[in-house]
Amino acid sequence: KQEVTQIPAALSVPEGENLVLNCSFTDSAIYNLQWFRQDPGKGLTSLLLIQSSQREQTSGRLNASLDKSSGRSTLYIAASQPGDSATYLCAVPAGETSGSRLTFGEGTQLTVNP
Amino acid sequence: KAGVTQTPRYLIKTRGQQVTLSCSPISGHRSVSWYQQTPGQGLQFLFEYFSETQRNKGNFPGRFSGRQFSNSRSEMNVSTLELGDSALYLCASSFGGVNIQYFGAGTRLSVL
Repeated sequence: KQEVTQIPAALSVPEGENLVLNCSFTDSAIYNLQWFRQDPGKGLTSLLLIQSSQREQTSGRLNASLDKSSGRSTLYIAASQPGDSATYLCAVPAGETSGSRLTFGEGTQLTVNP
Repeated sequence: KAGVTQTPRYLIKTRGQQVTLSCSPISGHRSVSWYQQTPGQGLQFLFEYFSETQRNKGNFPGRFSGRQFSNSRSEMNVSTLELGDSALYLCASSFGGVNIQYFGAGTRLSVL
């Protein structure tokens, strides 16, 4: 059974700092990994999807990396801004026979202080 | 291109009542998945529908049910509501399989 863990659970940084969020998964046989952002009380916004054949995926100030063999992904946020404050979740497909079912980590709650 | 639409956004019900939530996926998407999010349990998978068929089901009691219509819109029903059903219910749509998934804004259900 796939399990996803995110460290740290919470992070508080000053504006302008570069930061890294971590995601680990137990079953390395994944098709892809998706990073989401969630603002309080809101739905999930897809940030990046990185395929199993990729090592990195970039979108603006965000860069996601994937190391399947070690069961890890990182989300790098450059030059953080107060507007980046949110909970960041990573998710992987639950398994080959599980259709679109995603297994989520518990999330990292990020606060960027002005 | 319109995103995933969930209605209503907020609901207040009392114990024992039933509730129906609706999800309209992105045009062209045939897969709709439902998740329950609570502070203590995080995001938990309820079920997935693809082309009007339930393809996957999570570990929830039979009080939780769903269906999908021919236009891919999906409804989720919870009968005999319990206090513990209070949560944010999210739906996600995709082309199916391991394609990227897009989430709606959610329905906040409060059971009193």
